[in-house]
Amino acid sequence: EPEVTQTPSHQVTQMGQEVILRCVPISNHLYFYWYRQILGQKVEFLVSFYNNEISEKSEIFDDQFSVERPDGSNFTLKIRSTKLEDSAMYFCASTERRGAYEQYFGPGTRLTVT
Amino acid sequence: GDSVTQMEGPVTLSEEAFLTINCTYTATGYPSLFWYVQYPGEGLQLLLKATKADDKGSNKGFEATYRKETTSFHLEKGSVQVSDSAVYFCALRALGGSEKLVFGKGTKLTVNP
Repeated sequence: EPEVTQTPSHQVTQMGQEVILRCVPISNHLYFYWYRQILGQKVEFLVSFYNNEISEKSEIFDDQFSVERPDGSNFTLKIRSTKLEDSAMYFCASTERRGAYEQYFGPGTRLTVT
Repeated sequence: GDSVTQMEGPVTLSEEAFLTINCTYTATGYPSLFWYVQYPGEGLQLLLKATKADDKGSNKGFEATYRKETTSFHLEKGSVQVSDSAVYFCALRALGGSEKLVFGKGTKLTVNP
């Protein structure tokens, strides 16, 4: 069964460093999302992406964040200068069409900023 | 803004016990409501959904009914199994074209043999 994959499973980085989290959505899906969950908090929406542009973003998704689909298969989230408060589990998701009820999630990348 | 509140965990039950995980929401209008489940090491998976008031979503023995009067969507299962051990997330998607899901904190369920 097709699934969303994410790499790495765990990333440790120092404050101020850039990180890139990678996701491979399901191959025929067209809409892509990033969410994050800070330990003990709710899963929060960051951004949605369609047709090579951001279609919606939350207030969390500031200038430090960017997303890209560089090669037609990968979907990346870049954090330019990490802060301690960026430590969280980051989930990628995808759907095949707008309005689809099910978003398919990857297993997540745990980002630890020291 | 829109929000979801679900009961704090963790919840520990014996096999064949009855499960209820409470979920209430705040939203404008009538959002679509979801329960997602995350098994260890895996991504969140859609467990069930309800898209309008009084709808009942069901899957794998789990049920939840969309109650607009109480703005609730409680998850229930009559007889849990060890394999149901997971984290359960209640979520909503608001009307108006937004694709984003608004989640609760998640409730960790452990079922002991």
